[in-house]
Amino acid sequence: QVQLQQSGPGLVKPSETLFLTCTVSGGSVSRGRYYWNWIRQPPGKGLEWIGYTDDSGSTNYNPSLKSRVTISVDTSKNQFSLNLNSVTTADTAVYYCARRDSYSGTYYFDRWGQGTLVIVSS
Amino acid sequence: SSELSQDPAVSVALGQTVRITCQGDILRSSYASWYQQKPGQAPLLVMYSKDSRPSGIPDRFSGSASGDTASLTITGAQAGDEADYYCCSRDNSGDHLRVLFGGGTSLTVL
Repeated sequence: QVQLQQSGPGLVKPSETLFLTCTVSGGSVSRGRYYWNWIRQPPGKGLEWIGYTDDSGSTNYNPSLKSRVTISVDTSKNQFSLNLNSVTTADTAVYYCARRDSYSGTYYFDRWGQGTLVIVSS
Repeated sequence: SSELSQDPAVSVALGQTVRITCQGDILRSSYASWYQQKPGQAPLLVMYSKDSRPSGIPDRFSGSASGDTASLTITGAQAGDEADYYCCSRDNSGDHLRVLFGGGTSLTVL
């Protein structure tokens, strides 16, 4: 059973960089079928897709965050990471990592990390 | 538009049937996936590719799609089904692929 385990600080100062890591167990990030995503959820609000990487390091980001986001993969550690720079209080959210699969052209997130509440505050 | 719209809240009597809908132009070319989220928990995939249920999801959950609307139906709603439900689909209309979520529907089981 594939599991995603998130790690990283829960408090970041404004203008600094948010960094989270998602470690995959029970499976490999190198299996080319899947895409490795970050999704966030501000308190009391809905889900927002941030972006993904594949096992080769090819990425795609939400246009609204593209200028500040980097998602990377480390196949040797079986993990992928999120960098979000120049954070503001609007970036306060629960951040999730998730595995994306596809079937008949439908994309779906079938494995999720436990979520990390990141608060942006001085 | 390249957005997904959901009713903010829906209620259903225990044991009755409820349909949660998701509307958007992108659903004319891509099926939706559906997620259940209970307070303090990560979302859980409950439906994908219109009407496919992941292993472990009860068969009282079903999915359908027509035109620009996707639906998640719960037949015989249980107290444990009370949660927020989100639809999700992909948008290929721009230069790059985007993934969009609906705003979510809060389901109350009375």
